[in-house]
Amino acid sequence: KQEVTQIPAALSVPEGENLVLNCSFTDSAIYNLQWFRQDPGKGLTSLLLIQSSQREQTSGRLNASLDKSSGRSTLYIAASQPGDSATYLCAAMDTGRRALTFGSGTRLQVQP
Amino acid sequence: DTEVTQTPKHLVMGMTNKKSLKCEQHMGHRAMYWYKQKAKKPPELMFVYSYEKLSINESVPSRFSPECPNSSLLNLHLHALQPEDSALYLCASSPPGVPTGELFFGEGSRLTVL
Repeated sequence: KQEVTQIPAALSVPEGENLVLNCSFTDSAIYNLQWFRQDPGKGLTSLLLIQSSQREQTSGRLNASLDKSSGRSTLYIAASQPGDSATYLCAAMDTGRRALTFGSGTRLQVQP
Repeated sequence: DTEVTQTPKHLVMGMTNKKSLKCEQHMGHRAMYWYKQKAKKPPELMFVYSYEKLSINESVPSRFSPECPNSSLLNLHLHALQPEDSALYLCASSPPGVPTGELFFGEGSRLTVL
């Protein structure tokens, strides 16, 4: 059964810093890996999706990488802003069931 | 229309009530999902419908009954729930075909069971 782990669980940084969120998964037979943002009490907003054949995806200040062989993905946020404060979840989609397994998330606070 | 719409946003019900959560999308997606998220926990998969057929049931108690009447609509019928079922219920949909597999989530229905 797929297990997804995110480190750190919480992170507080001053505005303007670059930061890296880490995600690891136990079963490398994934279909894709997705990063989501969740604001308190809200639904999930898709940030980036990396197909299993890809190594990275970029959107604006966000860059996500995928290393299937080591079971790792990272989300890089450049020049962080207070509006980036949220919980960031990574999720791995398995090849068979096409269902996402989520990590526990990293709660990010960007201080003005 | 690029949204997954969930109603109601908030629901309070007693343990003997029968209620339903509704999820709608008009993006032509053919896979629809129910996830349950407890406070400060990640979402957990409950059900998956693929082309209006139930394809995954994650051993969810029978007091939760899903229904997919057509390709745009997904319901979750609730009966005789327990206080521990209080959570945010998230619906998602995914387009057909390969390679995407991208899930689009609604804002969720926050359920409180008294």
